[in-house]
Amino acid sequence: ELKVEQNPLFLSMQEGKNYTIYCNYSTTSDRLYWYRQDPGKSLESLFVLLSNGAVKQEGRLMASLDTKARLSTLHITAAVHDLSATYFCAVDIGSGGGADGLTFGKGTHLIIQP
Amino acid sequence: ETGVTQTPRHLVMGMTNKKSLKCEQHLGHNAMYWYKQSAKKPLELMFVYNFKEQTENNSVPSRFSPECPNSSHLFLHLHTLQPEDSALYLCASSQGLVMGAEQFFGPGTRLTVL
Repeated sequence: ELKVEQNPLFLSMQEGKNYTIYCNYSTTSDRLYWYRQDPGKSLESLFVLLSNGAVKQEGRLMASLDTKARLSTLHITAAVHDLSATYFCAVDIGSGGGADGLTFGKGTHLIIQP
Repeated sequence: ETGVTQTPRHLVMGMTNKKSLKCEQHLGHNAMYWYKQSAKKPLELMFVYNFKEQTENNSVPSRFSPECPNSSHLFLHLHTLQPEDSALYLCASSQGLVMGAEQFFGPGTRLTVL
């Protein structure tokens, strides 16, 4: 059974600081996704990582994937209040046919304080 | 309408009621999904449909019955639910046949079972 673990689960940080959220998973996969969820809202896709060593950046967020270590990171640079949200990583271990369900981590609840 | 829409957005039902959740995607996708998000568990995959055919049932109790009449519409029929079924039910869609296809989520239906 695939397990996806995120840490930390809760993070309070100050604006302007840097931090990293970690996502470990238990079964080999090269398909990993990061989503953002604001309170009372749905999930917004942030990054799709599809190979070992993949790195993607959007604004102050950067995600990477190490399939050998079964580890993905989401790095926040110079945090701003608008990045406060819950961040989920999700892993796909399906056949790769394009319609595979995702297994999600518990999410990291991020609060960024002025 | 754009993206993935869900109706109703909120639903309160008794344990003996029968109700249905509706999802519609306007993205030209071929795969559709139901996920459950409850306070006590990570996001859980329930069902996957690809080109209208159910390809995954993640050990979901039979009181939840999915229906996919075409690639754009997905329903979740509910009957004799339990209070522990109260949760946010999220629909998602993706391009079938594309490995690692990004899943786009709808706003969800907040279900309360009394």
